[in-house]
Amino acid sequence: NAGVTQTPKFRVLKTGQSMTLLCAQDMNHEYMYWYRQDPGMGLRLIHYSVGEGTTAKGEVPDGYNVSRLKKQNFLLGLESAAPSQTSVYFCASSLGTKTGQPQHFGDGTRLSIL
Amino acid sequence: QKEVEQDPGPLSVPEGAIVSLNCTYSNSAFQYFMWYRQYSRKGPELLMYTYSSGNKEDGRFTAQVDKSSKYISLFIRDSQPSDSATYLCGLRADKLIFGTGTRLQVFP
Repeated sequence: NAGVTQTPKFRVLKTGQSMTLLCAQDMNHEYMYWYRQDPGMGLRLIHYSVGEGTTAKGEVPDGYNVSRLKKQNFLLGLESAAPSQTSVYFCASSLGTKTGQPQHFGDGTRLSIL
Repeated sequence: QKEVEQDPGPLSVPEGAIVSLNCTYSNSAFQYFMWYRQYSRKGPELLMYTYSSGNKEDGRFTAQVDKSSKYISLFIRDSQPSDSATYLCGLRADKLIFGTGTRLQVFP
């Protein structure tokens, strides 16, 4: 029972490089989310999706792009990585947003930008 | 002022102690309240959720909400070393906002 799977688990990039983080869920959830977690800042929402083919901006979307071509996958892209994007990135999914429909998280991608 | 305030800790207690973890908030629009537990190098996992004032109990865990004071708490009875983790509160109105987390250490 995989739940939410994130790949890769670790990555080191140089400033200006690009990369894509992959999130896959096997729970048939409609909603998917990308967060970043930084010390003293907590979890901050980057982008989210309310269904296949949809995306929307969260609290800190600048410098990131996302795509939801398939219901089970949600991709987060960094076009030109910056040191300020060094963080732990978490993907989450949920059936909806009502009580009793909590978000389920993956185990994170630790990203360092040099 | 942040919408949600949570003491980062660390909170260090002996095994068997009663632990109290708290969040305060400023937006009275928050209606749903959650507690997540996050082990080191893992993602957050939902512990409890509630949408009303009062207490909700689940085993050794009790979630308490006081909407009049804008204050939520998580109590852990008979704490165990396996409870050592970071605990995040989550509050939802039109969007879900997380506290910064409190790191708890339970020593044998």
